[in-house]
Amino acid sequence: QVQLQQWGAGLLKPSETLSLTCGVSGGSLRGWYWSWLRQSPGKGLEWIGEISRDGSTNYSPSLRSRVVMSLDTYNNQFSLKMRSVTATDTATYFCARGGRNSGDHCYWFYWGQGTLVTVSS
Amino acid sequence: QSVLTQSPSVSGTPGQTVSISCSGSSSNIGSNSVYWYQQFPGTAPKLLIYKDSQRPSGVPDRFSASKSGTSASLVISGLRSEDEAAYYCATWDDSLSGRGVFGGGTNLIVL
Repeated sequence: QVQLQQWGAGLLKPSETLSLTCGVSGGSLRGWYWSWLRQSPGKGLEWIGEISRDGSTNYSPSLRSRVVMSLDTYNNQFSLKMRSVTATDTATYFCARGGRNSGDHCYWFYWGQGTLVTVSS
Repeated sequence: QSVLTQSPSVSGTPGQTVSISCSGSSSNIGSNSVYWYQQFPGTAPKLLIYKDSQRPSGVPDRFSASKSGTSASLVISGLRSEDEAAYYCATWDDSLSGRGVFGGGTNLIVL
């Protein structure tokens, strides 16, 4: 059974860098797309971006300038870094496993538990 | 402003059938598979429907979905109180180098 466990700092000051990691157990990173999504309080879901099995990335156009995703195949985990955060980045951040194929980007069957990240001075 | 359009809320009584719609465009729903997610407060979303109309193992057949052109719909029959949740449609959008896009979500209220 695949499980995703995520961790990272939950309280940031404006201009700091958000850093989250998602550990994968019960399966390999290889062969899948890995995504980060977020949900602002009381709002809907937003796709942040994805990293594919070969390490190539695809980011939301609105966040592309501030976001970097990476894979750590040795530790079977992947990470999200978002620089220069502001209060508008306050949200619950989720990691999720996408599908295997290029047509299955949104096949998020497995999810992390979510991390509430609050940006406040 | 979400790329996909969903009604903010829908309601029904136990046993009824409700439909949740999702409207998009040729660059997203019109050319890619639609996915539906169910989310309860404080929890991660759960995949309900994939590839327009397929149910993952364990999802009751009370949940069905379809797609036509640039619109999709999720139908819940035999409504139960435990179906009260937020429902989101999602798909890939081929514009702007490709991106995942969501509807704004529909809150299902079981009266």
